[in-house]
Amino acid sequence: AQSVTQLGSHVSVSEGALVLLRCNYSSSVPPYLFWYVQYPNQGLQLLLKYTSAATLVKGINGFEAEFKKSETSFHLTKPSAHMSDAAEYFCAVTYEKLTFGTGTRLTIIP
Amino acid sequence: SQTIHQWPATLVQPVGSPLSLECTVEGTSNPNLYWYRQAAGRGLQLLFYSVGIGQISSEVPQNLSASRPQDRQFILSSKKLLLSDSGFYLCAWTYPGTGGYEQYFGPGTRLTVT
Repeated sequence: AQSVTQLGSHVSVSEGALVLLRCNYSSSVPPYLFWYVQYPNQGLQLLLKYTSAATLVKGINGFEAEFKKSETSFHLTKPSAHMSDAAEYFCAVTYEKLTFGTGTRLTIIP
Repeated sequence: SQTIHQWPATLVQPVGSPLSLECTVEGTSNPNLYWYRQAAGRGLQLLFYSVGIGQISSEVPQNLSASRPQDRQFILSSKKLLLSDSGFYLCAWTYPGTGGYEQYFGPGTRLTVT
């Protein structure tokens, strides 16, 4: 069975600081992995996806994520946080069905 | 390009009243369609998915039902709403035959049951 764990339901960073949102997956086969962002009262928007090509994946809004098979991780990073990054972020893993993590709410401190 | 619509955007309904939420997709044919519920401060719960007209799979037994009367239309219904049905309802689609790949979400419907 596949699953995904997001460490930290709430993360706060200062504006301009590094953003690091953690995601670990469990899958018996090589997975496809995704990060989604959700702004208040909106649907989910795909940030980036890993589909077994390059292990470092670049997405929209300056975000990127690195697939590390040895650590079963797919952490999301952004070098410098912006106020507009405040949102909820979901990691998801798929083999036959898409499975979402419980989400991490990112707060940006001015 | 493909777009997905949901309506209404917000809805306030009394306990015991019926419910009908609609989702339509434009720009693609025979998509896989999904209904999720997001309760306050919680993750996404898959409620139903459909791979074709009239084909509905239920993930969680509950007070809700789904129907797919047309290729690109997905409807979420209830005969009698419960307080616990309150939440943010999201519709999503994927390309046919790609049930495990990325999903594209609609703007959502905020349902408050009073």
